Amino acid sequence: QVQLVQSGAEVKKPGASVKVSCKASGYTFTGYYMHWVRQAPGQGLEWMGWINPNSGGTNYAQKFQGRVTMTRDTSISTAYMELSRLRSDDTAVYYCARVRWWGQGTLVTVSS
Amino acid sequence: NFMLTQPHSVSESPGKTVTISCTRSSGSIASNYVQWYQQRPGSAPTTVIYEDNQRPSGVPDRFSGSIDSSSNSASLTISGLKTEDEADYYCQSYDSSYWVFGGGTKLTVL
Repeated sequence: QVQLVQSGAEVKKPGASVKVSCKASGYTFTGYYMHWVRQAPGQGLEWMGWINPNSGGTNYAQKFQGRVTMTRDTSISTAYMELSRLRSDDTAVYYCARVRWWGQGTLVTVSS
Repeated sequence: NFMLTQPHSVSESPGKTVTISCTRSSGSIASNYVQWYQQRPGSAPTTVIYEDNQRPSGVPDRFSGSIDSSSNSASLTISGLKTEDEADYYCQSYDSSYWVFGGGTKLTVL
């Protein structure tokens, strides 16, 4: 059974960085792109980008280019999303997702 | 680039059928698969339809998806509505390798 298990909630100050992990199981990790999607409080879903776990290649939404870095560690079937220079409007639930499956989400709160 | 437009909200009574539309602004709706996600309050999205009309195992056959090239839109139809179907529903498609989401539709079952 496919599972995507994300790291726990984070509280960060403006200007800091956050790194969220997503551990995959139940399938071949390198066989599917991993996407990251965020959802601000009361808002819709916003696509941030993807990583190809096989090659490490990435593709980021223009809005996040220069602030987001997606990486992976194939030895432990885990993908990571790091967002830097955090602002209050980055407060959101961050999801990893692959075709048909989603992680449980990680709440990132940015507050001074 | 294109957008996917959904109605902000729909409501229907238990036992009835409801259809949620997702209209693509440019380019053909048929050129990229459409997925539908259900999101209950406080929970992560789950897939109810993938590749236009495929249902993951465990999703009731009350849920069905279709595309209509004449209106350039995709539709999610839920029949025999249950109170547990009350949720937000999002359509999603692809622009090159980007994911594009609709704005979401709040389904109220009353």
